[in-house]
Amino acid sequence: NAGVTQTPKFRILKIGQSMTLQCTQDMNHNYMYWYRQDPGMGLKLIYYSVGAGITDKGEVPNGYNVSRSTTEDFPLRLELAAPSQTSVYFCASSYGNRAGMGGYTFGSGTRLTVV
Amino acid sequence: QKEVEQNSGPLSVPEGAIASLNCTYSDRVSQSFFWYRQYSGKSPELIMSIYSNGDKEDGRFTAQLNKASQYVSLLIRDSQPSDSATYLCAVNKGNNRLAFGKGNQVVVIP
Repeated sequence: NAGVTQTPKFRILKIGQSMTLQCTQDMNHNYMYWYRQDPGMGLKLIYYSVGAGITDKGEVPNGYNVSRSTTEDFPLRLELAAPSQTSVYFCASSYGNRAGMGGYTFGSGTRLTVV
Repeated sequence: QKEVEQNSGPLSVPEGAIASLNCTYSDRVSQSFFWYRQYSGKSPELIMSIYSNGDKEDGRFTAQLNKASQYVSLLIRDSQPSDSATYLCAVNKGNNRLAFGKGNQVVVIP
């Protein structure tokens, strides 16, 4: 059972380039999330999805896009990379909004540097 | 006011002592609360969840929730060097979206 798998683990981008961060989970979780974590800060929600075909913005969505064509995959697209997007990106998944649920399983993260 | 606040600076505790971490939240209707541990360079891992007022114990960890005062705390008993990490408080905003505090670093001194 792999859990949540993120690729790549590290990436350096030049300003203006684009890339896709991949995330896949094998736990049949219906909810998936993308967070970013800046040094010394907590995690900020970028986008989330409550099921295939449904996505919604979090608190810091600007400069990013997502899609959710399958239950397993939730890629994050960065268009026109900027230095402000230098961060560690975490994908997570969970079961739905049932009482007592809410604990996330996180991927190992992608460390992105934009130069 | 921030959604989730963890204001204490780095906490140094001797091995075997109790580490106490506090967290306050702003949304009175929040129903579920979590503590995550994050080692340097690693992803967060869930260590405690709590949904009702009072205490919840799991091994050496105890989470305490007071909804009237809007705070959550985490106690780590018999602290071990392996407990040295950053502890993140998280609050469910609805639709299973979590808001995280910035974290508290704990250093256990052998």
